[in-house]
Amino acid sequence: EIVLTQSPGTLSLSPGERATLSCRASQSVSSYLAWYQQKPGQAPRLLIYDASNRASGIPARFSGSGSGTDFTLTISSLVPEDFAVYYCQQRSSWPLTFGPGTKVDIK
Amino acid sequence: EVQLVESGGGLVQPGGSLRLSCAASGFTFSSYGMNWVRQAPGKGLEWISYISSSSSSIHHADSVEGRFTISRDNAKNSLYLQMNSLRDEDTAVYYCARDLGSGRRNFDYWGQGTLVTVSS
Repeated sequence: EIVLTQSPGTLSLSPGERATLSCRASQSVSSYLAWYQQKPGQAPRLLIYDASNRASGIPARFSGSGSGTDFTLTISSLVPEDFAVYYCQQRSSWPLTFGPGTKVDIK
Repeated sequence: EVQLVESGGGLVQPGGSLRLSCAASGFTFSSYGMNWVRQAPGKGLEWISYISSSSSSIHHADSVEGRFTISRDNAKNSLYLQMNSLRDEDTAVYYCARDLGSGRRNFDYWGQGTLVTVSS
């Protein structure tokens, strides 16, 4: 099973600041990594797939990069609705796995 | 508009069974792989089951293998999860989620979730 590790656990930032979230895989997942956003009481929302492709309707301030074992989700300038929990997910091999999440909260 | 609506959750005793359903609309259900993903209270996301568009390929997480069974009825645009031998640790919100497509096992549409509580 591929284990995904996310850092930091919590990121405290102010609106307008840049957020950089990390996801590391226990073995290579090539570019088969996705990012999701989840707000309290809501289902997750797909942001990025295949490491760097924005899903439909996702604003350009969200970008993804990386390959192999190290990946980054960047939010260029935080707006109030971006404060949420972010999960990475790999589809390289079964079982599909998620990282434990990074909470982005308001400083 | 794509919609996924789960039902069938509730309170069940340890060792009991429950069947979840997911009604799909707004897309060609028979063309997409489907998944169940769960989230224990206050915890992260856990993928548990996948079924291909034609039901020819099925995968389960080890945590539910042998106890849970995923199935679908393309004529009824419905996805199911039969859960047997339920344990306390199966308590979670269960989401059905659609594959992104083109072989990508990512999840672009999710239902609102149905809560399963396993407790005596």
